[in-house]
Amino acid sequence: SNVLTQPPSVSEAPGKTARITCGGDNIGSKSVHWYQQKPGQAPVLFISYNTNRASGIPQRFSASKSGNTATLTISRVEAGDEADYYCHMWDSGADHGVFGGGTKLTVL
Amino acid sequence: QVHLQESGPGLVKTSQTLSLTCTVAGGSISSVDHYWTWVRQPPGKGLEWIGYISDTGSTSYSPSLESRFTISGDTSQNQFSLKVTSVTAADTAVYYCARGHYSGHDHGPLDYWGQGTLVTVSS
Repeated sequence: SNVLTQPPSVSEAPGKTARITCGGDNIGSKSVHWYQQKPGQAPVLFISYNTNRASGIPQRFSASKSGNTATLTISRVEAGDEADYYCHMWDSGADHGVFGGGTKLTVL
Repeated sequence: QVHLQESGPGLVKTSQTLSLTCTVAGGSISSVDHYWTWVRQPPGKGLEWIGYISDTGSTSYSPSLESRFTISGDTSQNQFSLKVTSVTAADTAVYYCARGHYSGHDHGPLDYWGQGTLVTVSS
């Protein structure tokens, strides 16, 4: 079964660039999607298919993938970006979805 | 606009069966372009994939979960449901239903989510 590993927390000052990683053995051959979840709210799709921003998502949010690591990059971090971020991919061998453990972004 | 709404009891007694329903508006659970999922989140913890039902009614579940979980669909009501038998305190969580998007043969992202419903298991 595939496992996606994210750092539990990332902190960055306003205006700086924050990077959240998502690692997994089979990420290289899979599509990775990213969600933002704020306290008390449902997750929201931010990035699909490795790099595609969902409708209405600011260009400050981007994502990439290299080898077995996918990275969500948040440029010019704002206080409103504080949230939990989750990566997600499909385990086609087992026919189910897999989430990373989530990363809490703190804006200092 | 697609809207998903979970419904069900907020409190279930230990060892009983938890039943939740997701009502879909603005889209059909019979759509060949989409699959329909259940995800849960224990308090203070991360998202956990439970399983999904396809447009044809086939289902699949996370292998890390026991066989206590069953997903079914009702096309006449445009709803899909989750049943969890023999619940314990470990099943206490916010339960979300969500729509997944197919792309070719790939199970793609979850583009619409319900607001979630908190289910507490207590004796």
